Amino acid sequence: EAGVVQSPRYKIIEKKQPVAFWCNPISGHNTLYWYLQNLGQGPELLIRYENEEAVDDSQLPKDRFSAERLKGVDSTLKIQPAELGDSAVYLCASSLASSYNEQFFGPGTRLTVL
Amino acid sequence: AQTVTQSQPEMSVQEAETVTLSCTYDTSESNYYLFWYKQPPSRQMILVIRQEAYKQQNATENRFSVNFQKAAKSFSLKISDSQLGDTAMYFCAFMRDSGTYKYIFGTGTRLKVLA
Repeated sequence: EAGVVQSPRYKIIEKKQPVAFWCNPISGHNTLYWYLQNLGQGPELLIRYENEEAVDDSQLPKDRFSAERLKGVDSTLKIQPAELGDSAVYLCASSLASSYNEQFFGPGTRLTVL
Repeated sequence: AQTVTQSQPEMSVQEAETVTLSCTYDTSESNYYLFWYKQPPSRQMILVIRQEAYKQQNATENRFSVNFQKAAKSFSLKISDSQLGDTAMYFCAFMRDSGTYKYIFGTGTRLKVLA
């Protein structure tokens, strides 16, 4: 069974440029999460989707960040414009349903903003 | 607000020996869930072990076990017979039993297993 797929694995951009990250969850997983992981820190939830509905986006900085999961499968997270402080690893995770059980994580996208 | 503290930024252990990673948390709730996740250098996090707070029995998964002390709000991970493949960042995480399904992660402990 394929795991959570993310692309690109690495991205380097200049500040004020836009950037997008893509995630394909494990087949059949209805719930998808985007996390931000700063260097030396644990991941922090940005947004949680149940199918195509964003059910928790309270931690998403909506002035520059946006996300979509149009068909309830894969998802895109966008930053426009990027700032120096956005340099981090962006992790995607999925689970069968919103539950207290395991979330399956992708390898992440490491973003560097110059 | 809930917080999770991992006070050991780095640890090392000799192969085949036992090591214990510490985690404490702060919450006013009586039921919740605790997790240990492993993040190897490739960065893909995987679940190591999970504990429900209402269960008194400590969870065990092969070489991995926890010491869950609810009153002390402590949730340590013991790795027995350490292997080189155990080298990774280990994150302790807390989840409320409230329907938010949101992990609160600690800052992690970097474990290095020495040959």
